[in-house]
Amino acid sequence: QQQVKQSPQSLIVQKGGISIINCAYENTAFDYFPWYQQFPGKGPALLIAIRPDVSEKKEGRFTISFNKSAKQFSLHIMDSQPGDSATYFCAASKEWGGGGADGLTFGKGTHLIIQP
Amino acid sequence: GAVVSQHPSWVICKSGTSVKIECRSLDFQATTMFWYRQFPKQSLMLMATSNEGSKATYEQGVEKDKFLINHASLTLSTLTVTSAHPEDSSFYICSAYQTGTGNTEAFFGQGTRLTVV
Repeated sequence: QQQVKQSPQSLIVQKGGISIINCAYENTAFDYFPWYQQFPGKGPALLIAIRPDVSEKKEGRFTISFNKSAKQFSLHIMDSQPGDSATYFCAASKEWGGGGADGLTFGKGTHLIIQP
Repeated sequence: GAVVSQHPSWVICKSGTSVKIECRSLDFQATTMFWYRQFPKQSLMLMATSNEGSKATYEQGVEKDKFLINHASLTLSTLTVTSAHPEDSSFYICSAYQTGTGNTEAFFGQGTRLTVV
């Protein structure tokens, strides 16, 4: 049973546009919701993370929107650039930072392409 | 951020042999390290949780006798794939959890591409 559902599977956005990736979770014990960026052949790198008591968090061009009642959260990339082309994973964990006993549960990933 | 280093970055081995992958936290101590497996264009799946000085905890469906994990120090965990077969070919990624600094975050290594021929 997949605990974190991510969509879309792939996304093409024009340079300067807004990229939006959505995730939904089922386990209400999750307390940490990060987004990771992964380039081919590399490990994932943390982009931004949020706790369920916050509805929005912004860091530079990256914003997480969180809807606790709907158990959904999304990543918005403003002014998308070709260098943003990568695979993005949402994840969830029962412990802040992702280091709890169960580690991180990842979504299936979104392959994002930013066209020049 | 903290640095987690994996070695080797890629390895090719013959079927039936064993391969060891190292995961090191370079500038912090990690009481807990995690091992993930990622197939091409797939998500990361947690294989096991490695705790320093104790036995690893394996996820359901992961063979503990095939994927041997040793976490002998606060900065090193190793994953040994024993009697490797082509179906074990995958991208293996470790993460180390930084504790005691008020900044609890799991940092990931760069991954190890294993190809079994």
